[in-house]
Amino acid sequence: EAGVAQSPRYKIIEKRQSVAFWCNPISGHATLYWYQQILGQGPKLLIQFQNNGVVDDSQLPKDRFSAERLKGVDSTLKIQPAKLEDSAVYLCASSFGTGGQETQYFGPGTRLLVL
Amino acid sequence: AQSVTQLGSHVSVSEGALVLLRCNYSSSVPPYLFWYVQYPNQGLQLLLKYTTGATLVKGINGFEAEFKKSETSFHLTKPSAHMSDAAEYFCAVSDATGGFKTIFGAGTRLFVKA
Repeated sequence: EAGVAQSPRYKIIEKRQSVAFWCNPISGHATLYWYQQILGQGPKLLIQFQNNGVVDDSQLPKDRFSAERLKGVDSTLKIQPAKLEDSAVYLCASSFGTGGQETQYFGPGTRLLVL
Repeated sequence: AQSVTQLGSHVSVSEGALVLLRCNYSSSVPPYLFWYVQYPNQGLQLLLKYTTGATLVKGINGFEAEFKKSETSFHLTKPSAHMSDAAEYFCAVSDATGGFKTIFGAGTRLFVKA
């Protein structure tokens, strides 16, 4: 079974530029998550989708971050414009359902460096 | 609101020694508790989880954790460390008050000495 795929794996941009990340979840998984993991910290949920609807985006900085999940499968996360403090690893995860006990399956992440 | 505290950002053990990684949580309702492991340049992988029932939970690679409600703890243990256990370990909690959003601790990096 294929795991969660993410691209690119690494990205370096200058502040004020824009960047986009892509995620392909495990086939059949209804729920998709985007996390931000800053160096030395645990992952922080940015946005959670169930199919193509948003379940939780309370911690998404909506003035610069946006995300969509087209047709309830793939998802993209965009930052525009980027700030220095956005340097982090962006993790995508998926799970079969939405209950709190669900196991989340994580992709390898995209490491973003903003200069 | 839920929170997770992992005691010790770094833990070092000798190969063959007991591994103990500490996790305390804050939750006003029955929680779901998780331990995830992250190897270098990889995503997180579930080690084990507590949902309901038996409070001693066994996971992959010989790890286990015990849910102790009175101590609000969910410490991770393994009787004998192996070099391949070197990684970062994250404790996490979710519950109904937080809309079942998963809250992760800051992580504990485990070093295993030969």
